[in-house]
Amino acid sequence: GQSLEQPSEVTAVEGAIVQINCTYQTSGFYGLSWYQQHDGGAPTFLSYNALDGLEETGRFSSFLSRSDSYGYLLLQELQMKDSASYFCAVNSGYSTLTFGKGTMLLVSP
Amino acid sequence: DAGVTQSPTHLIKTRGQQVTLRCSPISGHKSVSWYQQVLGQGPQFIFQYYEKEERGRGNFPDRFSARQFPNYSSELNVNALLLGDSALYLCASSLVRSSGGASDTQYFGPGTRLTVL
Repeated sequence: GQSLEQPSEVTAVEGAIVQINCTYQTSGFYGLSWYQQHDGGAPTFLSYNALDGLEETGRFSSFLSRSDSYGYLLLQELQMKDSASYFCAVNSGYSTLTFGKGTMLLVSP
Repeated sequence: DAGVTQSPTHLIKTRGQQVTLRCSPISGHKSVSWYQQVLGQGPQFIFQYYEKEERGRGNFPDRFSARQFPNYSSELNVNALLLGDSALYLCASSLVRSSGGASDTQYFGPGTRLTVL
């Protein structure tokens, strides 16, 4: 089977840095994706790691360690609009994504 | 460029009825996948279609079916609706079927909110 674990909720203040961890167990692995979803909205693609290391996209960075089956999403200079749910998802081939249950990020003033 | 579009945005049905949801992928994308997202959970994979053929199926009953048309748009059908089918149904498109690279990135539409009474 496939499973992903991520914290259910994280809180932080504006301007801070927050890290959302994700560990996974899958039968097939091409890469790890991160998506942001605001209440009732569409999941929006943030980042993708196929190889070990850090990928940086503006205020967001994502890290992958394939040997540890572990990744994280790092959000810097937090803004109120970053309050949302964040999902890690394993790409197990054939454009199939297996999602975690999501981490709700609450950013306060 | 237009993103993934889905219709309708909201739908209310009663138990036992049938429903058809529609999706248009990003222009140039040939792969369409369907996901079900119940409240408080991550999206769960239902189907993947590539070049009009089913290429992947998740752990869903045969009441769920789909197809992809020559213009790469897709429909998801659910028969004999149950209360538990109430969810947000998401369609995602990607450029390729499977490369393991960035071109495999899936882009989601706004979803169809299905309520079964």
